[in-house]
Order: sequence, then C-alpha cells, then structure tokens
Amino acid sequence: EAGVTQSPRYAVLQEGQAVSFWCDPISGHDTLYWYQQPRDQGPQLLVYFRDEAVIDNSQLPSDRFSAVRPKGTNSTLKIQSAKQGDTATYLCASSFGLGAGEQYFGPGTRLTVL
Amino acid sequence: QQQVRQSSQSLTVWEGETAILNCSYENSAFDYFPWYQQFPGEGPALLIAIRSVSDKKEDGRFTIFFNKREKNLSLHIKDSQPGDSATYFCAASYQGGRALIFGTGTTVSVSP
Repeated sequence: EAGVTQSPRYAVLQEGQAVSFWCDPISGHDTLYWYQQPRDQGPQLLVYFRDEAVIDNSQLPSDRFSAVRPKGTNSTLKIQSAKQGDTATYLCASSFGLGAGEQYFGPGTRLTVL
Repeated sequence: QQQVRQSSQSLTVWEGETAILNCSYENSAFDYFPWYQQFPGEGPALLIAIRSVSDKKEDGRFTIFFNKREKNLSLHIKDSQPGDSATYFCAASYQGGRALIFGTGTTVSVSP
C-alpha cells in the first residue's frame, strides 16, 4: 500500500514569490493534515480537513497561506508571497476514522526562502 | 506556551544500553500519546502510542510508561542499536480533537 506522497521534495524561492505544495494521502483516509516543521523543532499544525471540509485552520496565516482539498482526496497548500520566516519543512499527514488516531506522514517538502 | 515538553534536546547512549526519553504535558484532556521517530530528510514515522487508560505499552524493544497523575510519560528503547539514532517526538491529542501537538524532540545518538 502506498504511503502519503508529497511534491515537490525541495523548493527554493526569493521573498515575495509564490509556491504550491501537493499531497496525496493514503487511499481511504478521510482526514488530511498540513504541518509546518521549522528546523530543529516539532511539527506544528497549520490546517486539517475531514473529506473536503476544513475542520481547523486557526493556525494558518490566512493572509498568505491557503489550502484546499476539493474532492476530499488530494490537497494543495499555497503560499502567496513567501517570507524568510516561512523557511521550514511542510509535512502532510493522513488518518482515518473518528477521534484521535494514527497519523501517517509523507516525506515533506523542504522550503528555503532567501 | 509549550503544551508538550521534552526535557532533553539530545541524548547519547552506547549500543546495547537503554535510552530513556522523557515527556510531560499540561492539558489534562489529552488522552492519546504517540511517539514518532524521524530520520534526517524524512517525515516522522509512528513508532508506538498509548492511550491514557493504560500505564504501559510495549512493542518489541520500545516501551512507553505513562503516569496520568503526574502528567508525564517516557519512552524506553531497550538494547539500543546504531540504527535507532534519530529524533524522537512525543505528541498528544484528545478525543474530539484530531490534530497532534508535538514536543520539540529529542535527538538520540547510539554509539557502537
């Protein structure tokens, strides 16, 4: 069974540029999460979906970040105007079922903003 | 405010020793505590998890000890191997909430 896949694996931008990250969750998983992991820190939740609905986006910097999951399967996270402080690894995870359950992570996209 | 704390940023043990990683939390509503293992350049991988109704969970060389009253838990890695060298994250969640709150991680180095 395929795990969570993400692309691209790496991105390097100048400040002010836009970038999109793509995630394909494990087949059948109804919940999808995006986390930001700064260097030498733990992952921090940005947003998560149950099917196509946003459940919690309170930690998403809404002025520059957006995330969609239109058909309840794949998802895209976009940064409109990147800042140096956005330099981090962006992780996608998925899980199935109600309540706190096992989350499976993809390999992440390592973003560097110069 | 850090809701999940890992007391050591790094830990070095000899091959064959038991590595002990500590974690504490603040929110009494947390009831699910997974540990994730992360190698450089990879995403975190679920290693072992415990729910608050239990005080111990064992899976091979990995054991979680959980103390609900003290709001802390520990991960024991028995017979540590060089391949266990990685960063370990303690995380927490609660029923009705699905997102995980992670600690800052403990980097374990196992010397042969």
